[in-house]
Amino acid sequence: EDQVTQSPEALRLQEGESSSLNCSYTVSGLRGLFWYRQDPGKGPEFLFTLYSAGEEKEKERLKATLTKKESFLHITAPKPEDSATYLCAVRYYKLSFGAGTTVTVRA
Amino acid sequence: DGGITQSPKYLFRKEGQNVTLSCEQNLNHDAMYWYRQDPGQGLRLIYYSQIVNDFQKGDIAEGYSVSREKKESFPLTVTSAQKNPTAFYLCASSKTGTQSGELFFGEGSRLTVL
Repeated sequence: EDQVTQSPEALRLQEGESSSLNCSYTVSGLRGLFWYRQDPGKGPEFLFTLYSAGEEKEKERLKATLTKKESFLHITAPKPEDSATYLCAVRYYKLSFGAGTTVTVRA
Repeated sequence: DGGITQSPKYLFRKEGQNVTLSCEQNLNHDAMYWYRQDPGQGLRLIYYSQIVNDFQKGDIAEGYSVSREKKESFPLTVTSAQKNPTAFYLCASSKTGTQSGELFFGEGSRLTVL
């Protein structure tokens, strides 16, 4: 069964329209949750690591938060260059990736 | 600049042929990985290696083989036994070992079976 579920699968935003992506997980013994950005035809690029509930990390227009069963990636006032697929991964006894959310930001 | 280099970027294979994907890193990382990416699915681990001359099967190792003769290099062979090899293949490394989730990825190799 899926250990990591990302929603929505795709998200279309207007430039400046803030939104959030969700990553929910069902594993026990979480040892870390990781967010990546992937551009079309490229390898993923590491963004954030979160270890415990309540933790937050920020980078430019992106902010990642973590609760006991899910993480959110908030995109504030997005620009077209934020268009990408965002992947989350969960470390328990192994590293398990979600299928990703593809974000398209229109100018 | 340090990084991971994968080659070739695009590869076409006839059924029944073995192909080898190259992965080279100059990050001085001990741990290296091969993942497969298919549309609508999360990355799936094929093989990983923690040190030279040692490697372990991941979740989908059947039909694949690897070697780790040098710290910098971790080539992946897709054999004719792999039933559905068309996919995007990603090589990665990590500086804190195989318990890390902070991976550095190459740009990927897209394999198409004709």
